[in-house]
Amino acid sequence: EPEVTQTPSHQVTQMGQEVILRCVPISNHLYFYWYRQILGQKVEFLVSFYNNEISEKSEIFDDQFSVERPDGSNFTLKIRSTKLEDSAMYFCASSDEQPRQPQHFGDGTRLSIL
Amino acid sequence: AQKITQTQPGMFVQEKEAVTLDCTYDTSDQSYGLFWYKQPSSGEMIFLIYQGSYDEQNATEGRYSLNFQKARKSANLVISASQLGDSAMYFCAMRDRLPTGGYQKVTFGIGTKLQVIP
Repeated sequence: EPEVTQTPSHQVTQMGQEVILRCVPISNHLYFYWYRQILGQKVEFLVSFYNNEISEKSEIFDDQFSVERPDGSNFTLKIRSTKLEDSAMYFCASSDEQPRQPQHFGDGTRLSIL
Repeated sequence: AQKITQTQPGMFVQEKEAVTLDCTYDTSDQSYGLFWYKQPSSGEMIFLIYQGSYDEQNATEGRYSLNFQKARKSANLVISASQLGDSAMYFCAMRDRLPTGGYQKVTFGIGTKLQVIP
């Protein structure tokens, strides 16, 4: 069964550095998403991406964040000038356009900011 | 604004017994989708079951069933014949239509931690 893959599984970065989280969505999916889960808290929506542009973003997704689909398979989340509070699990997800289809999540990247 | 409420922070169930995890939601939309995800201690998010707002029958997937009561805006997950491997966090989530017509983000509840006791 096709799946969403994320790399790396764990990223440790010094505060102030830039980090890029990578995702390979399911190949025939049209919508791509990033979510964040701070340890012990609920999953929070960051951004959705469709047709090579951001279609929706939350208040969390400020100028520090950006997303890109650099080629036909990868979908990346860039976090500039990382802060301690950016430490979290970051999930990539993808879905078909139809509402019945669930968003399929990757296994997540655990980001630790030191 | 949509909202998902899960009022049970933790639940215990005896192995082989059934358990119901509660979820209520709030939306002004007529067309929406409800999901349940499982998150084991390893951290990944596993899709379990989906219920559409226009579906007349409750969704079922193996040992999982969704008790959908639209008038009460509840979408409880029922796990039958609990197994030790069912111990995990369970998240209720909703996806509804944007003004543009697309279905975009999913909003999650805070989750319920289920522990299955041998």
